[in-house]
Amino acid sequence: QVQMVQSGAEVKKPGASVKVSCKASGYSFTSYGIGWLRQAPGQGLEWMGWISTYNGNTNYAQKLQGRVTMTTDSSTSTAYMELRSLRSDDTAVYYCARSGNANWFDPWGQGTLVTVSS
Amino acid sequence: DIVMTQSPDSLAVSLGARATINCKSSQSVLYTSNNKNYLAWYQQKPGQPPKLLIYWASARESGVPDRFSGSGSGTDFTLTISSLQAEDVAVYYCQQYYSTPLTFGLGTRVEIK
Repeated sequence: QVQMVQSGAEVKKPGASVKVSCKASGYSFTSYGIGWLRQAPGQGLEWMGWISTYNGNTNYAQKLQGRVTMTTDSSTSTAYMELRSLRSDDTAVYYCARSGNANWFDPWGQGTLVTVSS
Repeated sequence: DIVMTQSPDSLAVSLGARATINCKSSQSVLYTSNNKNYLAWYQQKPGQPPKLLIYWASARESGVPDRFSGSGSGTDFTLTISSLQAEDVAVYYCQQYYSTPLTFGLGTRVEIK
């Protein structure tokens, strides 16, 4: 079955960077893009951006431009999301999800809690 | 950005009764060239990631029980649970994929009365 498995929880200090991985299985990796989303504690869902696994094209949320980089490694069917210059309000559960081009998200990874605290 | 407004924020429904969740977009998400509404619905249970229920506003994802249905067009949409079951307790989100940034409603919490 289609599965997205993410890396484990992270604790970072303000100003640091975090890189979350997302390994896909059960489908042809380059046939779908990968979306990244986050959910702050007790809050709703925020779209961070999307990457084409076919050609690496990206579309980032404007508020994260300059701080986020999304990449993929098709040899291992893994996507990565790096967020730099972390702030306390970046504390959230980060999700990857399979997605077409600006499409719906299905399925989602299990989530990676990133805590930013001094 | 397209703002998605859900109502109510929460609702309590008796087992077996109907639950109705509304979602309104700040601009139309109907793409006239293909007559499709770029609107999805998700269910999120505590401690779990969201699960896709509905896409194209009314197409049920494979494996989703037929008590879940989506309707609406343009700017006004509805998710209906025809006969609420205990396992349907969750937060439900609508999402537009008409334009980036993709945006979600704030969610509607469904509980058992």
